[in-house]
Amino acid sequence: SQKIEQNSEALNIQEGKTATLTCNYTNYSPAYLQWYRQDPGRGPVFLLLIRENEKEKRKERLKVTFDTTLKQSLFHVTASQPADSATYLCALYGNNRLAFGKGNQVVVIP
Amino acid sequence: DADVTQTPRNRITKTGKRIMLECSQTKGHDRMYWYRQDPGLGLRLIYYSFDVKDINKGEISDGYSVSRQAQAKFSLSLESAIPNQTALYFCATEGYGANVLTFGAGSRLTVL
Repeated sequence: SQKIEQNSEALNIQEGKTATLTCNYTNYSPAYLQWYRQDPGRGPVFLLLIRENEKEKRKERLKVTFDTTLKQSLFHVTASQPADSATYLCALYGNNRLAFGKGNQVVVIP
Repeated sequence: DADVTQTPRNRITKTGKRIMLECSQTKGHDRMYWYRQDPGLGLRLIYYSFDVKDINKGEISDGYSVSRQAQAKFSLSLESAIPNQTALYFCATEGYGANVLTFGAGSRLTVL
């Protein structure tokens, strides 16, 4: 069966450090992978999309890598700030729909 | 105004009642989706629609129905609500070829 796996444990990180999250998937052959941010009680907000032929994508302090051999994406928040505290979801397209991982919470400690 | 508007934002109801959650969008997107989110289970797709005449079941459609009244409107109904339908419900839209979803703010439903 298709799976998208993210670490269920919250990542606590000191302000200024780099937060790194992992998304692993099985039984998908995605042409691209997406990352969303979700704040408590609010809808997810799109952050980045990376295509299968792209190794790395950057947007401001965010960086995403995509390794289709390992079936894994890494999501980095550099120089983290308390405002980066949120849950981050990875998402993949399969069977005409976008499926989401369960999300990984990041807590940035001042 | 928000691009994707969900109403109501919060609703408490009793078992057996009929409930409708409404979604409207101003983005002009053809594709619309309904997801539910539960703690520990993430976002799960209930129904989706690629245009006004197209309705498709998602992974957890049992107990739910939808109506695509217009390009901009997509409603989710619970014909006879039960407690395990207590969840946070999200509507989302996608422009054709855009591959990115825009979500509403969510509708929190509690079934007693």
